[in-house]
Amino acid sequence: KQEVTQIPAALSVPEGENLVLNCSFTDSAIYNLQWFRQDPGKGLTSLLLIQSSQREQTSGRLNASLDKSSGRSTLYIAASQPGDSATYLCAFFTGNQFYFGTGTSLTVIP
Amino acid sequence: DTGVSQDPRHKITKRGQNVTFRCDPISEHNRLYWYRQTLGQGPEFLTYFQNEAQLEKSRLLSDRFSAERPKGSFSTLEIQRTEQGDSAMYLCASSTTGTVYFGPGTRLLVL
Repeated sequence: KQEVTQIPAALSVPEGENLVLNCSFTDSAIYNLQWFRQDPGKGLTSLLLIQSSQREQTSGRLNASLDKSSGRSTLYIAASQPGDSATYLCAFFTGNQFYFGTGTSLTVIP
Repeated sequence: DTGVSQDPRHKITKRGQNVTFRCDPISEHNRLYWYRQTLGQGPEFLTYFQNEAQLEKSRLLSDRFSAERPKGSFSTLEIQRTEQGDSAMYLCASSTTGTVYFGPGTRLLVL
């Protein structure tokens, strides 16, 4: 079974800081990886998708990387803003299902 | 709005009652997923459809749970004889072969 770990579980940073969220997984047989954002009590919003053949994807202030050999992915957020406060989840797709981490709860302090 | 929609958004029921949730995926998406999420946890896989075929079910999906996607479009998830442990957010998602899109979820509270 795919095990997905996200570190740290919670993070609090002042506005404007750059930050990195980490995600590790145990099975390298993945099709793709997605990073999601979840606001309290809401569904998930897809942020970035990285196919297994890719190393990274960028969207605005977000950059996600994938290293299958080490079983790791990172989400880099540049110049953080209070509106970035949310829980960030990584998920690996193995063909029929996604395996999710438990998320990193991010608070950006104005 | 052309995203994934779920109905109802909230459901409160008494233990032992049956409940049914509906998911309408994005129209051209052939893949549909159901997930369950409890407080502080990541979503847990329940089941997956490709068109109308249910291709995978988690062992979390006990005999009290049943899901259908009769015409390969919308899907329903039914929970029979609800238990307090069924209280959770039930999330539906759809995709083709790339990005998966989640609906807003149905929050179930079993009293």
